[in-house]
Amino acid sequence: AQSVTQPDIHITVSEGASLELRCNYSYGATPYLFWYVQSPGQGLQLLLKYFSGDTLVQGIKGFEAEFKRSQSSFNLRKPSVHWSDAAEYFCAVGLYSSASKIIFGSGTRLSIRP
Amino acid sequence: GAGVSQSPSNKVTEKGKDVELRCDPISGHTALYWYRQSLGQGLEFLIYFQGNSAPDKSGLPSDRFSAERTGGSVSTLTIQRTQQEDSAVYLCASSPRGGGNQPQHFGDGTRLSIL
Repeated sequence: AQSVTQPDIHITVSEGASLELRCNYSYGATPYLFWYVQSPGQGLQLLLKYFSGDTLVQGIKGFEAEFKRSQSSFNLRKPSVHWSDAAEYFCAVGLYSSASKIIFGSGTRLSIRP
Repeated sequence: GAGVSQSPSNKVTEKGKDVELRCDPISGHTALYWYRQSLGQGLEFLIYFQGNSAPDKSGLPSDRFSAERTGGSVSTLTIQRTQQEDSAVYLCASSPRGGGNQPQHFGDGTRLSIL
């Protein structure tokens, strides 16, 4: 069965520092890959997605993610974080099937140190 | 509205009562999902509606939970005989079509507290 793992439960970085959030998936084929962000008291918002092609994808709010097939990873990065980036981040995987659901990781909480 | 709308935004009720949570998806979206998010936890899939197909109820935790989607639009999640462990945020999402390649659009959730 497909699964997605976010090994870091909580990460704290200083404002202005770079960020990398890890995501690994388990599936025989390349799934569709997503990153979502959840600010406190709100629903999830799509940051970016990867379906095929260029393995480095750009998203909103200055985020990017790189798909590495050999490592079954889809890590999220940002060169310089802002205090407003403090939130919960979810990686998700999906398969192409009308009956298929997106599977979400357990999330990584990002805190920003002033 | 342009987004997914959920009501109420907050609900406090006594143990044993029944509750109904409502979700208005984005107009034209055929797929609708319900999730539960307990404090500090990830998303727990509950149920998935896709067009006229039979819903995928595989995530419902007990027979106290049920959901309907009337006319392919509005959905209601019902929890009967609520228990304290049902306290959580219930999130609804919709997408233009079903399938794992469809980004989901989320509402802000209903925060349910069982006293």
